[in-house]
Amino acid sequence: GNSVTQMEGPVTLSEEAFLTINCTYTATGYPSLFWYVQYPGEGLQLLLKATKADDKGSNKGFEATYRKETTSFHLEKGSVQVSDSAVYFCALSATGANSKLTFGKGITLSVRP
Amino acid sequence: GAGVSQSPRYKVAKRGQDVALRCDPISGHVSLFWYQQALGQGPEFLTYFQNEAQLDKSGLPSDRFFAERPEGSVSTLKIQRTQQEDSAVYLCASSFRGQGVNGYTFGSGTRLTVV
Repeated sequence: GNSVTQMEGPVTLSEEAFLTINCTYTATGYPSLFWYVQYPGEGLQLLLKATKADDKGSNKGFEATYRKETTSFHLEKGSVQVSDSAVYFCALSATGANSKLTFGKGITLSVRP
Repeated sequence: GAGVSQSPRYKVAKRGQDVALRCDPISGHVSLFWYQQALGQGPEFLTYFQNEAQLDKSGLPSDRFFAERPEGSVSTLKIQRTQQEDSAVYLCASSFRGQGVNGYTFGSGTRLTVV
């Protein structure tokens, strides 16, 4: 079946540091890939997505590239801010009309001033 | 409404009690999903509706779990004879069409604690 594996957390960084959060997946066919973010006290929000190999999703300074050869979708940001502190979930959606999401375990990012 | 609304926000149930969790999706959204998120884990799929039709209930963990969406808008997730392992955050998500590529709008969830 489909699965998503995220690197172990939590992650603590200083403001303006470079961020990489690793995500790899297992799926049949050509899934769509997502990063969702959950800020404290809020619901899950879509951060970015990519629907085919070599696509790059980007939003709010975050980027992730769909790498089919390594089955990866690592999240990166060049300079994190305190406001980026949240839980980040990598997810995939298999092709088809019933596009339920399969999530990784999530990783907590804390950015200190 | 402007977003997906879930109620109650918190629910404490005694073991063996029945509970009902409500999801009010964005008006006009065809697709509705329920997910269960245990502490420290990612959300896991429970069930999917397209309008009033329940097209996939493969993620429901037992026959104590039941979901409905009779008029194709509001949905209710019912858990009968709650057990401690049912303690989790239950998330509802909706989208205009069942196209995961556009992502979904999630509600803030209902945190269920079974004591």
